[in-house]
Amino acid sequence: DIQMTQSPSSLSASVGDRVTITCQASQDIRNFLNWYQQRPGKAPNLLIYDASYLETGVPSRFIGRGSGTDFTLTINNLQPEDIATYYCQQYDNLPWTFGQGTRVEIK
Amino acid sequence: QVQVVESGGGVVQPGRSLRLSCAASGFVFSSYGFHWVRQAPGKGLEWVALISHDGSKRYFADSVKGRFTVSRDNSENTVHLQIDTLRPEDTAVYYCAKTRNFGDYGAFDFRGQGTRVTVSS
Repeated sequence: DIQMTQSPSSLSASVGDRVTITCQASQDIRNFLNWYQQRPGKAPNLLIYDASYLETGVPSRFIGRGSGTDFTLTINNLQPEDIATYYCQQYDNLPWTFGQGTRVEIK
Repeated sequence: QVQVVESGGGVVQPGRSLRLSCAASGFVFSSYGFHWVRQAPGKGLEWVALISHDGSKRYFADSVKGRFTVSRDNSENTVHLQIDTLRPEDTAVYYCAKTRNFGDYGAFDFRGQGTRVTVSS
């Protein structure tokens, strides 16, 4: 199975900050990488698909980059509504696998 | 408007069975694959199963292979997850997600709120 490793596991930042979450795959997954946001008590929500494409309706402050084994999700101008856990997920190989999640908090 | 509603969860004793359902509307149901993804209390997301758009292919995580089956009825716009021989580690919220794109691969499009399964004696 492809292992997805996210870092950090959690972070705390101020409103207006830029934060970056990294996701590393245990093998080359090309650009078959998605990012999800899960707010507390809610279902996950797709933010970025195929590594860098912004899902419809998602604010442009969310930016996905990377290919191969190394990926990043950057949130520019952090907002209070961005408090959530963020997950990367690969679909290059079965079984589809998620990173362990990164919890984002506001200072 | 795309809608997905999961149902069928509850509190079940170990060893028993449960059938979860996912009812969808607002799109061409037969054009999309459907996944089940679960989340144990306080834990991350775990992909569980996929059924292809036409029901011809089914894939499962190793952790559930042999105990879970997945089916769909394209005339009723429903997907079902049959869980047999339930174990305490199956305790989770189960989400049904369509594929974002036509077909069976790509990102998960979560539209429902999930259904909670608790396995306890």
